[in-house]
Amino acid sequence: DAKTTQPPSMDCAEGRAANLPCNHSTISGNEYVYWYRQIHSQGPQYIIHGLKNNETNEMASLIITEDRKSSTLILPHATLRDTAVYYCIVGFQKLVFGTGTRLLVSP
Amino acid sequence: EAQVTQNPRYLITVTGKKLTVTCSQNMNHEYMSWYRQDPGLGLRQIYYSMNVEVTDKGDVPEGYKVSRKEKRNFPLILESPSPNQTSLYFCASSLLGRSMNTEAFFGQGTRLTVV
Repeated sequence: DAKTTQPPSMDCAEGRAANLPCNHSTISGNEYVYWYRQIHSQGPQYIIHGLKNNETNEMASLIITEDRKSSTLILPHATLRDTAVYYCIVGFQKLVFGTGTRLLVSP
Repeated sequence: EAQVTQNPRYLITVTGKKLTVTCSQNMNHEYMSWYRQDPGLGLRQIYYSMNVEVTDKGDVPEGYKVSRKEKRNFPLILESPSPNQTSLYFCASSLLGRSMNTEAFFGQGTRLTVV
């Protein structure tokens, strides 16, 4: 079973920030939090990952709470091309995918 | 360009006719795996390999075989396909990191229909 809980769907206006939450209350101390997204039926695409510090790259920012039981993926300026299913995953080599959050970015 | 390549992208076959879906990566990754994706069930791991000649079952291995004779290749074999194996399949690869600090690269998928 997936170790994470995400809302099934979210909407965001184009140009606005999209904030996608994830709960992972059973995370172990040495487990990373990964975010992937899947556009249509393409292969999942890596976005970002982190252990306990906040992380930022060219695609997104990842905010992890101090107790590490939840995190938020932030797409700072969402575009129509960001419409996808976003997966929050906790683990190691084996990625256990839940059903993710379907993000719809609208004009 | 770093990539994972699957072939074929689409395949329609008949029940019982053996088939192989190939997967190749050019990143010298140790860890490779196969997933299937079905509506409402997300991606589920079929088999994985931690290095050449080292393979193990994932969550849904029944009806599948794999081999890892070379580091770059990890074919998925369906000896006798059945309609319940109709699905979207993904191959993935990543470094075998000791620190759990590694991202996975996925192929573009193979849509298999068994009639």
